[in-house]
Amino acid sequence: GIQVEQSPPDLILQEGANSTLRCNFSDSVNNLQWFHQNPWGQLINLFYIPSGTKQNGRLSATTVATERYSLLYISSSQTTDSGVYFCAGEETSGSRLTFGEGTQLTVNP
Amino acid sequence: DAGVTQSPTHLIKTRGQQVTLRCSPISGHKSVSWYQQVLGQGPQFIFQYYEKEERGRGNFPDRFSARQFPNYSSELNVNALLLGDSALYLCASSLLWGAHEQYFGPGTRLTVT
Repeated sequence: GIQVEQSPPDLILQEGANSTLRCNFSDSVNNLQWFHQNPWGQLINLFYIPSGTKQNGRLSATTVATERYSLLYISSSQTTDSGVYFCAGEETSGSRLTFGEGTQLTVNP
Repeated sequence: DAGVTQSPTHLIKTRGQQVTLRCSPISGHKSVSWYQQVLGQGPQFIFQYYEKEERGRGNFPDRFSARQFPNYSSELNVNALLLGDSALYLCASSLLWGAHEQYFGPGTRLTVT
């Protein structure tokens, strides 16, 4: 199966700062998703982005499938952005998502 | 529209017991997947069902089983519970099988004592 690596594992920011989270995957993927996990465990869909660039408010994501990486950009961070961010890739041979270990983001006021 | 729903929210069981977790997908979605998330790690794939047939199985022992019903809801069963089965169990639904966005439910937090 594919391997998914996320960096950095931990990130501490001051409110208002910008950040970039990275996701590398070992092989071609059909699907690449970014999630935010809230303190209660709910995985919230941020982006479904097998390739290209998408933006949603202060968040944007870029996937370069040929180079096997994806980036999540958070601008003007807020305390409510705190939590764990996961990327997950779906193998071309099936529909199972393989998750990275996550990036723990803490935004301080 | 309602999202993915799971029941129960929390569950406490004793080693050796059996547990059944339930999931209802988003209306119109035909594929359901189950994931296990232990503390501090990303979710791990357990099963996927599409049109009531198993389409994928992760690296979990035979104590884990699942099924999908004609209304596309699903159950995950775990027999002979071990302490290591304590985790958050997540259900995800997608419209079809393969290369479709997956949406997750709130999870069932299982504690085995």
